[in-house]
Amino acid sequence: NAGVMQNPRHLVRRRGQEARLRCSPVKGHSHVYWYRQLPEEGLKFMVYLQKENIIDESGMPKERFSAEFPKEGPSILRIQQVVRGDSAAYFCASSLQGSSYNEQFFGPGTRLTVL
Amino acid sequence: AQSVAQPEDQVNVAEGNPLTVKCTYSVSGNPYLFWYVQYPNRGLQFLLKYITGDNLVKGSYGFEAEFNKSQTSFHLKKPSALVSDSALYFCAVRDMKNTDKLIFGTGTRLQVFP
Repeated sequence: NAGVMQNPRHLVRRRGQEARLRCSPVKGHSHVYWYRQLPEEGLKFMVYLQKENIIDESGMPKERFSAEFPKEGPSILRIQQVVRGDSAAYFCASSLQGSSYNEQFFGPGTRLTVL
Repeated sequence: AQSVAQPEDQVNVAEGNPLTVKCTYSVSGNPYLFWYVQYPNRGLQFLLKYITGDNLVKGSYGFEAEFNKSQTSFHLKKPSALVSDSALYFCAVRDMKNTDKLIFGTGTRLQVFP
């Protein structure tokens, strides 16, 4: 079984461009979480989505960042007008249900570099 | 606020020796605790979790963790370290009040020397 897939694995953007990060959860998982890891730091929660719904976006910056998880297709994390401070590794995780008993399975991450 | 602390940035141990990576937590209510490992340029891999039951939890690759409620700790252990265990280890707690997102510690880099 395929695990969580993320693409691209590496993304380079110039300041002001848009970055689109994709995440395909484990087959059958309907809960997706996005986390950001800055260099030499732990992961910080950004957003939690279920199919077609944003459940918790308390960790998302108020501007330039958005996320979706459509009925069909992968979850997308979109960063508009990127700045150097957006350079980080972005990890997606999925779980079977939102219950506390289910661990989250993580993808390999997308490493965004803003020049 | 719920939080996790990993007091050591780095742990060094000789191959074959026992290892401990420390984690303490602060939550209201019963904690749901996790350990993940991250190899260079890779995503996080689940090692083990504590939900309820026995305080000693066994996980992948020979790792285990001991839940200690009185000390609010969940230290990761392995009886005999391998060079291949060298990686970044994260302790996490489930945020029970807020949609089950994980709250991570800052990570501990484990270096096992041959």
